[in-house]
Amino acid sequence: DAGVIQSPRHEVTEMGQEVTLRCKPISGHDYLFWYRQTMMRGLELLIYFNNNVPIDDSGMPEDRFSAKMPNASFSTLKIQPSEPRDSAVYFCASRRQGDTGELFFGEGSRLTVL
Amino acid sequence: SQKIEQNSEALNIQEGKTATLTCNYTNYSPAYLQWYRQDPGRGPVFLLLIRENEKEKRKERLKVTFDTTLKQSLFHITASQPADSATYLCAPLYNNNDMRFGAGTRLTVKP
Repeated sequence: DAGVIQSPRHEVTEMGQEVTLRCKPISGHDYLFWYRQTMMRGLELLIYFNNNVPIDDSGMPEDRFSAKMPNASFSTLKIQPSEPRDSAVYFCASRRQGDTGELFFGEGSRLTVL
Repeated sequence: SQKIEQNSEALNIQEGKTATLTCNYTNYSPAYLQWYRQDPGRGPVFLLLIRENEKEKRKERLKVTFDTTLKQSLFHITASQPADSATYLCAPLYNNNDMRFGAGTRLTVKP
């Protein structure tokens, strides 16, 4: 399997623009997680899905952030409008239900908002 | 709310020595506790998992302990090598779904 695939790897945008990050989880995995990592706050859980259904979005910073999982093989994290404080590395991770929780991470999307 | 604390931001040791990293949690004990390694510019990679009823788990040069009384897990790397230099993250699992991580400890092994 190719692992968790994220795109884009790098994104530079201007404040106020819409940003869409994409994730393809490992085939057969039932859970998908979105994390944000910064030096100040470490790795923060934003939202996670089980069988394409959002289970806990309490980590989503504010209404500017939204996430969808239209099918088992694709998820998006959207920021609209983006702000400089959104600059971070965003990771997607997936795992199989019933396992002891080992997460498989993508390589991340580094977002810079100018 | 539950807090996860890792002992220090950075740990520097000499090659060949044992590195010991600490993960402390508050409130109730997790069912499992995982350790991950993260290299610069990469996503975290799973290393080891220890269950609530296990005292110790080993994998090659890695050893993890779990003390539910102290609410602490220790992660040891014996005979450390420069290639072990990375950030190590702990992640307690409570309901097997919500996975949150400590801030991580950056380990540097000097030759």
